[in-house]
Amino acid sequence: EPEVTQTPSHQVTQMGQEVILRCVPISNHLYFYWYRQILGQKVEFLVSFYNNEISEKSEIFDDQFSVERPDGSNFTLKIRSTKLEDSAMYFCASSLIRDTGELFFGEGSRLTVL
Amino acid sequence: DAKTTQPPSMDCAEGRAANLPCNHSTISGNEYVYWYRQIHSQGPQYIIHGLKNNETNEMASLIITEDRKSSTLILPHATLRDTAVYYCITNNAGNMLTFGGGTRLMVKP
Repeated sequence: EPEVTQTPSHQVTQMGQEVILRCVPISNHLYFYWYRQILGQKVEFLVSFYNNEISEKSEIFDDQFSVERPDGSNFTLKIRSTKLEDSAMYFCASSLIRDTGELFFGEGSRLTVL
Repeated sequence: DAKTTQPPSMDCAEGRAANLPCNHSTISGNEYVYWYRQIHSQGPQYIIHGLKNNETNEMASLIITEDRKSSTLILPHATLRDTAVYYCITNNAGNMLTFGGGTRLMVKP
């Protein structure tokens, strides 16, 4: 069964460092997303991406965050200067069609900022 | 998206049906009801969704009341691997899902 894959599974970084989280969405999917979950809290929407541009973003997705689809398969989330409060699980998701709530999530990348 | 209310936790005996309720009394006419689950901090997993009619797939059944103000997710024969947090989400804005606290289902032997 096709799946969304994410790397790394766990990254530890120092505050102020740049981090790039990578995702390979399901191959024929066209819509891509990042969500995050701080330990013990709810899953939160960050951003959606289609046709090489951001479709929607939440208030969390401020100027320190960026997304990119550098090639035909990868979808990345960059955090420019990490803060302690960026420590969380980051989930990538993809969907085949627009305006559906049927998303396929990856297993997540755990980011720990020290 | 309409707010949903779910019990924070439930227990179910292995092999029995798990019935997870969700209230969404402010749901609007074009909002779907989606169910996801999250097994121990893994990525959320889509289960099922519906608008008005009851739905069934290989994972579960979804029963939506006629007034659409509540729904029930049914896992017909719960296994230990079904232990997870189950999220009921109403959505008409497409892909921006709003997750609540969900119901932590514990399936016991």
